[in-house]
Amino acid sequence: AQKVTQAQTEISVVEKEDVTLDCVYETRDTTYYLFWYKQPPSGELVFLIRRNSFDEQNEISGRYSWNFQKSTSSFNFTITASQVVDSAVYFCALSDNHHSGNTPLVFGKGTRLSVIA
Amino acid sequence: NAGVTQTPKFRVLKTGQSMTLLCAQDMNHEYMYWYRQDPGMGLRLIHYSVGEGTTAKGEVPDGYNVSRLKKQNFLLGLESAAPSQTSVYFCASGKILWNEQFFGPGTRLTVL
Repeated sequence: AQKVTQAQTEISVVEKEDVTLDCVYETRDTTYYLFWYKQPPSGELVFLIRRNSFDEQNEISGRYSWNFQKSTSSFNFTITASQVVDSAVYFCALSDNHHSGNTPLVFGKGTRLSVIA
Repeated sequence: NAGVTQTPKFRVLKTGQSMTLLCAQDMNHEYMYWYRQDPGMGLRLIHYSVGEGTTAKGEVPDGYNVSRLKKQNFLLGLESAAPSQTSVYFCASGKILWNEQFFGPGTRLTVL
Protein backbone atom coordinates (compact mmCIF):
# COMPACT_ATOMS: atom_id res chain seq x y z
CA ALA A 1 0.00 0.00 0.00
CA GLN A 2 1.12 3.53 -0.54
CA LYS A 3 2.17 5.82 2.26
CA VAL A 4 3.38 9.39 2.76
CA THR A 5 5.48 10.32 5.77
CA GLN A 6 6.12 13.87 6.90
CA ALA A 7 8.29 13.26 9.90
CA GLN A 8 8.44 16.90 10.98
CA THR A 9 5.26 17.67 12.86
CA GLU A 10 6.15 21.29 13.63
CA ILE A 11 8.98 23.59 12.62
CA SER A 12 9.72 27.10 13.82
CA VAL A 13 12.13 29.40 12.04
CA VAL A 14 13.04 33.05 12.25
CA GLU A 15 12.08 35.21 9.31
CA LYS A 16 14.58 35.14 6.42
CA GLU A 17 15.88 31.72 7.35
CA ASP A 18 15.68 28.92 4.80
CA VAL A 19 13.60 25.90 5.76
CA THR A 20 13.15 22.46 4.22
CA LEU A 21 10.06 20.35 4.73
CA ASP A 22 10.64 16.64 4.27
CA CYS A 23 8.37 14.19 2.48
CA VAL A 24 9.11 10.49 2.09
CA TYR A 25 6.75 8.26 0.16
CA GLU A 26 6.19 4.57 -0.44
CA THR A 27 4.64 3.03 -3.52
CA ARG A 28 5.11 -0.11 -5.56
CA ASP A 29 4.15 1.59 -8.78
CA THR A 30 6.51 3.07 -11.31
CA THR A 31 4.02 5.72 -12.39
CA TYR A 32 2.85 8.06 -9.68
CA TYR A 33 2.31 11.71 -8.88
CA LEU A 34 3.44 13.77 -5.93
CA PHE A 35 1.89 16.97 -4.67
CA TRP A 36 2.40 19.72 -2.13
CA TYR A 37 -0.48 21.73 -0.70
CA LYS A 38 -0.47 24.68 1.70
CA GLN A 39 -3.09 25.29 4.38
CA PRO A 40 -2.74 28.78 5.90
CA PRO A 41 -4.38 29.69 9.23
CA SER A 42 -7.54 30.71 7.36
CA GLY A 43 -8.10 27.02 6.62
CA GLU A 44 -8.36 26.74 2.87
CA LEU A 45 -6.07 24.40 0.94
CA VAL A 46 -3.90 25.78 -1.82
CA PHE A 47 -2.24 23.67 -4.50
CA LEU A 48 1.50 24.33 -4.84
CA ILE A 49 2.93 21.72 -7.19
CA ARG A 50 2.39 18.36 -8.93
CA ARG A 51 5.30 16.20 -10.09
CA ASN A 52 5.13 12.93 -11.99
CA SER A 53 7.49 10.06 -11.31
CA PHE A 54 9.26 10.36 -14.67
CA ASP A 55 10.31 13.95 -14.15
CA GLU A 56 13.15 14.16 -11.66
CA GLN A 57 14.12 17.71 -12.49
CA ASN A 58 14.08 19.99 -9.52
CA GLU A 59 11.63 22.84 -9.69
CA ILE A 60 11.96 26.42 -8.53
CA SER A 61 9.16 28.92 -8.25
CA GLY A 62 10.22 32.17 -6.67
CA ARG A 63 11.27 31.40 -3.09
CA TYR A 64 9.93 27.86 -3.33
CA SER A 65 11.88 24.90 -4.62
CA TRP A 66 11.28 21.17 -4.71
CA ASN A 67 13.84 18.38 -4.70
CA PHE A 68 12.54 15.08 -6.07
CA GLN A 69 14.85 12.09 -5.51
CA LYS A 70 13.52 8.70 -6.58
CA SER A 71 16.58 6.95 -5.12
CA THR A 72 15.52 7.97 -1.62
CA SER A 73 11.74 8.20 -2.34
CA SER A 74 11.71 11.79 -1.22
CA PHE A 75 10.06 14.96 -2.46
CA ASN A 76 11.31 17.74 -0.22
CA PHE A 77 10.14 21.33 -0.25
CA THR A 78 12.41 24.28 0.54
CA ILE A 79 11.37 27.83 1.27
CA THR A 80 14.18 30.33 0.86
CA ALA A 81 14.23 33.51 2.93
CA SER A 82 11.08 32.57 4.79
CA GLN A 83 8.43 35.17 5.55
CA VAL A 84 5.70 35.37 8.17
CA VAL A 85 3.11 34.76 5.41
CA ASP A 86 4.67 31.32 4.86
CA SER A 87 3.31 30.22 8.23
CA ALA A 88 0.93 27.38 7.43
CA VAL A 89 0.49 23.64 7.49
CA TYR A 90 2.05 22.01 4.45
CA PHE A 91 0.86 18.68 3.12
CA CYS A 92 2.62 16.27 0.81
CA ALA A 93 0.44 13.81 -1.14
CA LEU A 94 0.86 10.79 -3.41
CA SER A 95 -1.31 9.39 -6.18
CA ASP A 96 -0.22 6.18 -7.86
CA ASN A 97 -1.50 3.67 -10.43
CA HIS A 98 -4.58 2.88 -8.42
CA HIS A 99 -4.31 -0.86 -8.49
CA SER A 100 -7.12 -2.73 -6.85
CA GLY A 101 -7.02 -2.21 -3.12
CA ASN A 102 -5.04 0.99 -3.33
CA THR A 103 -6.36 4.29 -2.14
CA PRO A 104 -6.20 6.65 -5.12
CA LEU A 105 -4.73 9.59 -3.24
CA VAL A 106 -2.95 9.67 0.10
CA PHE A 107 -1.88 12.72 2.09
CA GLY A 108 0.81 12.96 4.71
CA LYS A 109 -0.14 14.24 8.15
CA GLY A 110 1.29 17.65 7.47
CA THR A 111 4.06 19.87 8.83
CA ARG A 112 3.13 23.02 10.68
CA LEU A 113 5.56 25.80 9.84
CA SER A 114 5.75 28.87 12.02
CA VAL A 115 7.83 31.79 10.80
CA ILE A 116 8.64 34.22 13.56
CA ALA A 117 9.28 37.89 12.81
CA ASN B 1 -16.49 32.77 -10.39
CA ALA B 2 -17.24 31.49 -6.92
CA GLY B 3 -14.93 28.47 -7.35
CA VAL B 4 -15.85 25.69 -4.94
CA THR B 5 -18.48 26.43 -2.32
CA GLN B 6 -19.64 24.29 0.57
CA THR B 7 -22.88 24.41 2.51
CA PRO B 8 -23.18 24.65 5.48
CA LYS B 9 -20.02 26.10 7.02
CA PHE B 10 -20.78 24.77 10.51
CA ARG B 11 -23.15 22.17 11.85
CA VAL B 12 -23.80 20.42 15.15
CA LEU B 13 -25.62 17.10 15.06
CA LYS B 14 -26.75 14.63 17.67
CA THR B 15 -25.73 11.01 17.37
CA GLY B 16 -28.05 9.21 14.97
CA GLN B 17 -29.19 12.28 13.07
CA SER B 18 -28.70 12.55 9.35
CA MET B 19 -27.52 15.39 7.18
CA THR B 20 -26.24 16.23 3.73
CA LEU B 21 -23.27 18.42 2.90
CA LEU B 22 -23.46 20.19 -0.42
CA CYS B 23 -20.49 20.99 -2.62
CA ALA B 24 -20.89 23.14 -5.72
CA GLN B 25 -18.34 24.20 -8.31
CA ASP B 26 -18.71 26.58 -11.21
CA MET B 27 -15.51 25.70 -13.08
CA ASN B 28 -17.05 22.91 -15.18
CA HIS B 29 -14.68 20.37 -13.62
CA GLU B 30 -15.26 16.68 -14.27
CA TYR B 31 -13.71 15.45 -11.06
CA MET B 32 -14.88 16.08 -7.55
CA TYR B 33 -13.68 14.81 -4.16
CA TRP B 34 -14.71 14.72 -0.53
CA TYR B 35 -12.12 14.66 2.26
CA ARG B 36 -12.16 14.77 6.00
CA GLN B 37 -9.45 16.42 8.06
CA ASP B 38 -8.82 15.39 11.66
CA PRO B 39 -6.14 16.70 14.01
CA GLY B 40 -2.88 14.86 13.47
CA MET B 41 -4.34 12.79 10.63
CA GLY B 42 -4.00 15.04 7.63
CA LEU B 43 -6.59 14.75 4.90
CA ARG B 44 -8.23 11.48 4.06
CA LEU B 45 -10.24 10.84 0.92
CA ILE B 46 -13.82 9.71 1.59
CA HIS B 47 -15.34 9.40 -1.87
CA TYR B 48 -14.71 10.87 -5.28
CA SER B 49 -16.44 11.22 -8.63
CA VAL B 50 -15.04 11.06 -12.14
CA GLY B 51 -18.14 12.50 -13.73
CA GLU B 52 -21.86 13.08 -13.47
CA GLY B 53 -23.61 9.98 -12.22
CA THR B 54 -20.42 8.20 -11.08
CA THR B 55 -18.88 7.83 -7.64
CA ALA B 56 -16.10 5.76 -6.12
CA LYS B 57 -14.75 4.98 -2.68
CA GLY B 58 -11.69 6.56 -1.20
CA GLU B 59 -9.71 5.67 1.89
CA VAL B 60 -12.44 6.11 4.52
CA PRO B 61 -15.87 5.64 2.90
CA ASP B 62 -17.69 3.85 5.72
CA GLY B 63 -20.63 5.74 7.18
CA TYR B 64 -20.92 8.09 4.20
CA ASN B 65 -22.82 8.09 0.94
CA VAL B 66 -22.41 10.41 -2.01
CA SER B 67 -24.26 11.41 -5.13
CA ARG B 68 -23.35 13.34 -8.26
CA LEU B 69 -26.62 13.92 -10.03
CA LYS B 70 -25.40 17.13 -11.64
CA LYS B 71 -21.90 17.85 -12.86
CA GLN B 72 -21.54 20.91 -10.69
CA ASN B 73 -22.74 19.36 -7.42
CA PHE B 74 -21.34 16.61 -5.21
CA LEU B 75 -23.35 15.68 -2.14
CA LEU B 76 -21.99 13.94 0.95
CA GLY B 77 -24.54 12.25 3.19
CA LEU B 78 -24.35 10.98 6.73
CA GLU B 79 -27.29 8.66 7.35
CA SER B 80 -26.72 8.12 11.07
CA ALA B 81 -24.09 10.46 12.44
CA ALA B 82 -21.58 9.19 15.00
CA PRO B 83 -19.17 11.15 17.22
CA SER B 84 -16.29 9.64 15.20
CA GLN B 85 -17.53 11.68 12.25
CA THR B 86 -16.74 14.93 14.03
CA SER B 87 -14.32 16.52 11.61
CA VAL B 88 -13.71 19.25 9.08
CA TYR B 89 -14.96 18.21 5.65
CA PHE B 90 -13.41 19.57 2.50
CA CYS B 91 -14.72 19.29 -1.02
CA ALA B 92 -12.46 19.73 -4.03
CA SER B 93 -12.77 19.70 -7.79
CA GLY B 94 -10.32 19.35 -10.65
CA LYS B 95 -10.06 19.42 -14.40
CA ILE B 96 -7.76 16.41 -14.64
CA LEU B 97 -8.04 13.36 -12.39
CA TRP B 98 -5.48 13.36 -9.58
CA ASN B 99 -4.01 16.65 -10.75
CA GLU B 100 -4.40 20.12 -9.25
CA GLN B 101 -7.45 20.27 -7.01
CA PHE B 102 -9.34 23.37 -6.01
CA PHE B 103 -10.68 23.19 -2.49
CA GLY B 104 -13.76 24.64 -0.87
CA PRO B 105 -13.57 26.49 2.47
CA GLY B 106 -14.57 23.44 4.51
CA THR B 107 -17.48 22.45 6.75
CA ARG B 108 -16.89 22.00 10.45
CA LEU B 109 -19.15 19.23 11.73
CA THR B 110 -19.56 18.28 15.36
CA VAL B 111 -21.49 15.17 16.35
CA LEU B 112 -22.50 15.06 20.02
